[in-house]
Amino acid sequence: DGGITQSPKYLFRKEGQNVTLSCEQNLNHDAMYWYRQDPGQGLRLIYYSQIVNDFQKGDIAEGYSVSREKKESFPLTVTSAQKNPTAFYLCASNLGGNTEAFFGQGTRLTVV
Amino acid sequence: ILNVEQSPQSLHVQEGDSTNFTCSFPSSNFYALHWYRWETAKSPEALFVMTLNGDEKKKGRISATLNTKEGYSYLYIKGSQPEDSATYLCAFYGGSQGNLIFGKGTKLSVKP
Repeated sequence: DGGITQSPKYLFRKEGQNVTLSCEQNLNHDAMYWYRQDPGQGLRLIYYSQIVNDFQKGDIAEGYSVSREKKESFPLTVTSAQKNPTAFYLCASNLGGNTEAFFGQGTRLTVV
Repeated sequence: ILNVEQSPQSLHVQEGDSTNFTCSFPSSNFYALHWYRWETAKSPEALFVMTLNGDEKKKGRISATLNTKEGYSYLYIKGSQPEDSATYLCAFYGGSQGNLIFGKGTKLSVKP
């Protein structure tokens, strides 16, 4: 079945450590997105990529990094520079802006 | 930072009531407006993607309208059912920037 997969579902890390969240899709989608959700907040865009080997900063990119070496994969690294990394992270993909986006199940990151 | 506003923030209705929500977005650089339903413990799922001014879309008891000149979209639910309880998100896609920006959502609770 085609879909978009995030792993792991829950992640715990010590403060000061970098951590990478996985996002893989087999939908042949060109565009991929990373969002963050905090309690009482909506989905805020971290990074997005419209094509392989290219990506753009979203509204809250500071403290995060991404890569898009393959069409299927868009991993997000939460670096030690991110001041409040504990949050729920959602990955999405679509063929382009005028097509529906598909979402992964999300990763809940807790930094202690 | 693009501003996508949704109102109300939350809504409590009785089963059988009809209801509607509003999404406001920038009227410039418009490319598409998305609506999603996000149920607890699930991933957001697309309801509609709208691209043309004046467009109206319908899926069962749910319908949406779009006004790109004034920058708003309405989502209507006719005869609300408890299974309609969810957070409804709208997202603006500005083609020139290639990002998908979400509002904070409207949380709907339907009491039996």
